[in-house]
Amino acid sequence: DAGVTQSPTHLIKTRGQQVTLRCSPKSGHDTVSWYQQALGQGPQFIFQYYEEEERQRGNFPDRFSGHQFPNYSSELNVNALLLGDSALYLCASSSDRGLTTEAFFGQGTRLTVV
Amino acid sequence: DAKTTQPPSMDCAEGRAANLPCNHSTISGNEYVYWYRQIHSQGPQYIIHGLKNNETNEMASLIITEDRKSSTLILPHATLRDTAVYYCIAVNFGNEKLTFGTGTRLTIIP
Repeated sequence: DAGVTQSPTHLIKTRGQQVTLRCSPKSGHDTVSWYQQALGQGPQFIFQYYEEEERQRGNFPDRFSGHQFPNYSSELNVNALLLGDSALYLCASSSDRGLTTEAFFGQGTRLTVV
Repeated sequence: DAKTTQPPSMDCAEGRAANLPCNHSTISGNEYVYWYRQIHSQGPQYIIHGLKNNETNEMASLIITEDRKSSTLILPHATLRDTAVYYCIAVNFGNEKLTFGTGTRLTIIP
C-alpha cells in the first residue's frame, strides 16, 4: 500500500498564476481533506471532499477550489496566486465508514510563489 | 471544536518516558482527543485518540483526566526518532476536520 501520494513534491509559481495540486488517497479511503501549512505554523484546514462533493470548508477564499474524482483522488486548485500562498500543502485521506477515524497524510507539496 | 493548549517545547532524555501535556478545558462530551506528530519535512502522523478512557497502542499511551479537561500523551521509551512537533486536537464526533494549533516541539536528547 503506497499510502497517500501527492504530486508534485515541489513547485515554483509566479504571482497571479494558477496551480493544481494532486492527491491519491490511501487504498480503501473515500474522504480527502486538504490543509495549508505556513512555515512554523500548524496545518490549517482548507476543505474536505466526500462522494465528489465538498463537505466542509475552512476559512479560505474562493480562489481555493477542489475536485474529487470517482476513484476518490482529488485536486486542489488555487487561482490568482499571492505571495502569501507559499506554503506546504498537505492532503489527508480517511474512511467515512467509521464513526471516528485517523487521517493519513501525504508528504505534501511545497509551493513557492515568487 | 474545543481549543487545546500545549507547552511550546519540551526536552526528554533518550530512553526515558516523554510525557506531553494538553489542556482542553472547554471540551464537549462528543469531542475526542486526538494526538498527531509531525517529523520535520513530513506530513503529520496519527498517534492515538480517546474519548474518556485511557488508551494504549504500540506507539504511545493516552491518559485523560476524569473531568476530561486535560490529557497526557506518554511515549514510554523515547528514541531520537521521536523528535517532532506533537499536536493535541479536540475532534467533534463525526466531524473529521482537524484544527491544529502550534503543538509542542519535543526534542529527544542523546
